[in-house]
Amino acid sequence: GAVVSQHPSRVICKSGTSVKIECRSLDFQATTMFWYRQFPKKSLMLMATSNEGSKATYEQGVEKDKFLINHASLTLSTLTVTSAHPEDSSFYICSAREATGGNQPQHFGDGTRLSIL
Amino acid sequence: GDSVTQMEGPVTLSEEAFLTINCTYTATGYPSLFWYVQYPGEGLQLLLKATKADDKGSNKGFEATYRKETTSFHLEKGSVQVSDSAVYFCALSDRGGGYQKVTFGIGTKLQVIP
Repeated sequence: GAVVSQHPSRVICKSGTSVKIECRSLDFQATTMFWYRQFPKKSLMLMATSNEGSKATYEQGVEKDKFLINHASLTLSTLTVTSAHPEDSSFYICSAREATGGNQPQHFGDGTRLSIL
Repeated sequence: GDSVTQMEGPVTLSEEAFLTINCTYTATGYPSLFWYVQYPGEGLQLLLKATKADDKGSNKGFEATYRKETTSFHLEKGSVQVSDSAVYFCALSDRGGGYQKVTFGIGTKLQVIP
């Protein structure tokens, strides 16, 4: 089945550091990838839709300059949390849809646990 | 807009008990419906899906039927195991939006005790 790899799985860093998270579709091409944030005991909140070769589409309330998204190829999207602060600590999950059209389900990575000290 | 409502839980069951997790939805178009499962410390895995009314999705002993008349997609399993302990998310994607966005329910934590 379709596999999405997310790296790193866990990051602990100091306040003010920028952190990059990678999301790769391993065995399929994904024109669109999605970045979610999951708060404790809460559902997933869509942050942005990452489009290959174009700018990401951010959801309302998500800071574009804070969460930089780059989708440079059909198999890779990156999320960079710039100048991270403790309130950015969360579980970030990416997903990807196969570029075959129609109603394909999203396939999720294993998530990245970000902890800002 | 689209929304998904499911019981928050936690749901605690003994091994081999019958499981039902209720899910209802509202959507403007003709959504596809999904159940995802999240094991501790992991991402989400697609458990099953249904793309049109009266479809039944099934996988690993879990089933859910797309009921358009009641806008529901309840998850069931006849005999749960300890390994089924996880958080279960009901979700939909709307054809009107090109199936781009997925709307998730809050997630229901299932705890199965031996």
